Amino acid sequence: GAVVSQHPSWVICKSGTSVKIECRSLDFQATTMFWYRQFPKQSLMLMATSNEGSKATYEQGVEKDKFLINHASLTLSTLTVTSAHPEDSSFYICSANPDRNLMAFFGQGTRLTVV
Amino acid sequence: LAKTTQPISMDSYEGQEVNITCSHNNIATNDYITWYQQFPSQGPRFIIQGYKTKVTNEVASLFIPADRKSSTLSLPRVSLSDTAVYYCLVVTNSGYSTLTFGKGTMLLVSP
Repeated sequence: GAVVSQHPSWVICKSGTSVKIECRSLDFQATTMFWYRQFPKQSLMLMATSNEGSKATYEQGVEKDKFLINHASLTLSTLTVTSAHPEDSSFYICSANPDRNLMAFFGQGTRLTVV
Repeated sequence: LAKTTQPISMDSYEGQEVNITCSHNNIATNDYITWYQQFPSQGPRFIIQGYKTKVTNEVASLFIPADRKSSTLSLPRVSLSDTAVYYCLVVTNSGYSTLTFGKGTMLLVSP
């Protein structure tokens, strides 16, 4: 199947700093990618839809100025958590679909811990 | 988006067949049923997808009745490594539709 890769797998940062997470589609192009957040023992919650060459679409309640999304190429989307706080600590996951494929492929996730 | 309901948890033993049922009463004509598996600290992994009747692959089978208001994921002869959370999702066939994850079913396989 198609491969979606996230980097880093885990990151620890100090409160007030910014962290960038990369999501790459390795063997297909993705005009759209999705970013999810998952807290312990909870389900995945969609944060935003990343669109290549245009602005991301954020879900209600997700601060666009805090979670900056850039989708500069057909194989790369980045999520930057700005001025991170301990409550931003979570598991962040991206996904992408090969061209008009109903099957979504997920990255391995990034564990963010803000101390 | 069609809402899905599945059991919060299930227990099984190695070698047994496990059937996880999901209800999706509001499924639309363009919707497909998709199941994902998630291990701790990993992203979800696609298991199987279907529209109606029965779909089988090397990992699982998916049974969908004629009214499509429910579906059953069948895992044959589970092993300890099948312990995971299983999510049932309804996906709309309209390009890049977003996925709405429910709570999923935590399957625990014991020796």
